[in-house]
Amino acid sequence: SQKIEQNSEALNIQEGKTATLTCNYTNYSPAYLQWYRQDPGRGPVFLLLIRENEKEKRKERLKVTFDTTLKQSLFHITASQPADSATYLCALESNDYKLSFGAGTTVTVRA
Amino acid sequence: DADVTQTPRNRITKTGKRIMLECSQTKGHDRMYWYRQDPGLGLRLIYYSFDVKDINKGEISDGYSVSRQAQAKFSLSLESAIPNQTALYFCATSDQGVADTQYFGPGTRLTVL
Repeated sequence: SQKIEQNSEALNIQEGKTATLTCNYTNYSPAYLQWYRQDPGRGPVFLLLIRENEKEKRKERLKVTFDTTLKQSLFHITASQPADSATYLCALESNDYKLSFGAGTTVTVRA
Repeated sequence: DADVTQTPRNRITKTGKRIMLECSQTKGHDRMYWYRQDPGLGLRLIYYSFDVKDINKGEISDGYSVSRQAQAKFSLSLESAIPNQTALYFCATSDQGVADTQYFGPGTRLTVL
């Protein structure tokens, strides 16, 4: 069966450090993978998209990698700030142009 | 004004009641989606619509129905609400051909007693 797994536990890090989140998937062959941010009580907000032929994508302090051989994406927040505290969701292209979402990883950045 | 709006934002109802959740968007997107979110389970797709005449079931459509009244409006109905439908419900839109990047509404918190 298809499965998307993100870090099962919440991530607590010190301000200024790098947070690294993982997204592993099985039985998908996505042409692209997306990352979203969700704050408590709010809808997810799109952050980054990376295509299967791209190894790495950056946006400001965010970096995403995509390894289709390992079936894994890594999401990095560098020089983390308390404002980065949120839940981060990965999403894969599913069939019929739909997205399937992981359960998310909650990041807390301590000042 | 928000691009994707949902009403109501919060609703408490009783078992057996009919409930309608409404979604409107001003993004001009053809594609619209309804998801529910439960702790630890992530977002699960209930129904989706790629244009006004297109309605498709998602992975958890049992107990739900939808109506696409116009390009900008997509409603979700619970014909006879039950307690395990207590969840956070999100509407989303996407633009065809843009890798389905989705734009979410603020959500509706539904509690079924």
